[in-house]
Amino acid sequence: DTEVTQTPKHLVMGMTNKKSLKCEQHMGHRAMYWYKQKAKKPPELMFVYSYEKLSINESVPSRFSPECPNSSLLNLHLHALQPEDSALYLCASSRTGGSSTDTQYFGPGTRLTVL
Amino acid sequence: DAKTTQPPSMDCAEGRAANLPCNHSTISGNEYVYWYRQIHSQGPQYIIHGLKNNETNEMASLIITEDRKSSTLILPHATLRDTAVYYCIVRVDANNDMRFGAGTRLTVKP
Repeated sequence: DTEVTQTPKHLVMGMTNKKSLKCEQHMGHRAMYWYKQKAKKPPELMFVYSYEKLSINESVPSRFSPECPNSSLLNLHLHALQPEDSALYLCASSRTGGSSTDTQYFGPGTRLTVL
Repeated sequence: DAKTTQPPSMDCAEGRAANLPCNHSTISGNEYVYWYRQIHSQGPQYIIHGLKNNETNEMASLIITEDRKSSTLILPHATLRDTAVYYCIVRVDANNDMRFGAGTRLTVKP
């Protein structure tokens, strides 16, 4: 089973709201990732967690706050977002995250709209 | 990580082989070639990866040239469900960030 689940599927929020995106995997993977994908563009890496520790932060604004409470769960907390943050947010996981042969498996994404 | 160049779009007739090229002329010895695809509004799906040798799995074949400067992904019998954006990515060993290029939009036509 190579399933990564993401909730919610769709989210509409105002610029003053606080919301969270959730990602879960039960494959025993120890690396988890957040990507952002704008319309008609490729996914862009935001954060990488390896063994529940943040290992890569691609200079993402602080209004995006990742959290990895355990090896199966990854959250992305959102606060004071801008309309240009509207995008598809993708979560991925991989076995260890320490090798180029470590295949990443993606969830279906959360479609976020900021009004 | 090495940069990749792919044609922006390709068409293929249903039932025929789809051959998707990728140029990675600056690839170094410890970089693998990965292919993913993304069907509209879904998450990217892993297809195949390789280092030097040709690889085949149930989805596709990957042909890497001897000098490793280019590769071709082959879908042997394309179906309408193979319509997607196909991304060729090179990744350095022990590096867990993956950089997507612009990809090739493959349209399979009846």
